[in-house]
Amino acid sequence: GAVVSQHPSRVICKSGTSVKIECRSLDFQATTMFWYRQFPKQSLMLMATSNEGSKATYEQGVEKDKFLINHASLTLSTLTVTSAHPEDSSFYICSASVGGPYGYTFGSGTRLTVV
Amino acid sequence: GQQLNQSPQSMFIQEGEDVSMNCTSSSIFNTWLWYKQDPGEGPVLLIALYKAGELTSNGRLTAQFGITRKDSFLNISASIPSDVGIYFCAGQRGNTPLVFGKGTRLSVIA
Repeated sequence: GAVVSQHPSRVICKSGTSVKIECRSLDFQATTMFWYRQFPKQSLMLMATSNEGSKATYEQGVEKDKFLINHASLTLSTLTVTSAHPEDSSFYICSASVGGPYGYTFGSGTRLTVV
Repeated sequence: GQQLNQSPQSMFIQEGEDVSMNCTSSSIFNTWLWYKQDPGEGPVLLIALYKAGELTSNGRLTAQFGITRKDSFLNISASIPSDVGIYFCAGQRGNTPLVFGKGTRLSVIA
């Protein structure tokens, strides 16, 4: 149990376009999901906390107008990278808290390349 | 944001050897988690620790939640090639988001 599905796994887009990444909890309800960004050979850096039915909480230095987060249901959170630029190229990962022995479950990540 | 002190940064070991890595923090955590990440994938939970002093095993993996609640270690016994990857520790206080270590990159030489 406790599966988080993230889509797409890879996306290439042109500079100036927007990209939406979806994160779904398949067999549980997630009132809170988290979005991380990971650069090559580095750790996961929290971007924002996504709360169902309310505004996301962004970490310091993360532009909320550039990284739009929507958590409209208990099983879906989306991250939209708006007006993407090459420096936005990265590995984006979502996670949800399951509680108990499963801790936090992570999606499989999305490799974004902006050309 | 805050990160945990995880060591070593990388390890090269022979197949069959035991591995040990640890994480320390200047502040207390209520939960310690250990994850493994393969290239191009999200982290996968290996072991979750919820109580100070707790020692938990998962197959060849053993992890402990330090008594002071400021540290945790992960041991892998009799390493095999598929153990290759990056191992992350993560700590949590209450309902706050996870804080991650910088990772230990494990390479296993057959």
